[in-house]
Amino acid sequence: EPEVTQTPSHQVTQMGQEVILRCVPISNHLYFYWYRQILGQKVEFLVSFYNNEISEKSEIFDDQFSVERPDGSNFTLKIRSTKLEDSAMYFCASSLGRSSGELFFGEGSRLTVL
Amino acid sequence: GENVEQHPSTLSVQEGDSAVIKCTYSDSASNYFPWYKQELGKGPQLIIDIRSNVGEKKDQRIAVTLNKTAKHFSLHITETQPEDSAVYFCAAPEGAQKLVFGQGTRLTINP
Repeated sequence: EPEVTQTPSHQVTQMGQEVILRCVPISNHLYFYWYRQILGQKVEFLVSFYNNEISEKSEIFDDQFSVERPDGSNFTLKIRSTKLEDSAMYFCASSLGRSSGELFFGEGSRLTVL
Repeated sequence: GENVEQHPSTLSVQEGDSAVIKCTYSDSASNYFPWYKQELGKGPQLIIDIRSNVGEKKDQRIAVTLNKTAKHFSLHITETQPEDSAVYFCAAPEGAQKLVFGQGTRLTINP
């Protein structure tokens, strides 16, 4: 069964450092997403990406965040200068159609900012 | 925007009993309601979903009901088993591009 894969599974970084989280969405999917889950809280939308551009972003997704699809398979989330409050589980997801269709989530990348 | 409320936050049931988790949503235009199961250390996995043109959908031991008038939908798990222990999230769409999740329910099945 096709799946969304994410790397790294866990990253520890110092405050102020740049972090790049990587995702390989399901190959025939067209919509890509990043969601975040702070420990013990609900899953929150960060950004959606379609046709090589951001289609929607949340208030959380400020200038410190960026996304990119550098090639035909990878989808990355970059945090330019990490803050303590960026510590969370970051989930990549993809879907064939819009959010009214099934989202497939990866296993997540746990980011710890010290 | 869409607001999704989920109850209860924790639920403990005896193995073999039924479990019910409820969610309400605010946007009457929402037309798609998925339920996700999240096991420890893993990403959310879709277990069942329902569209607004039906009132109930069933898949083996799990079912979802939707009341559009009251703007609530519920997850029903019958004959619960230990492997049903997980955190369950409901969600509803906001616009065309994102899902808004409920707060989650930690379900524990006691043997």
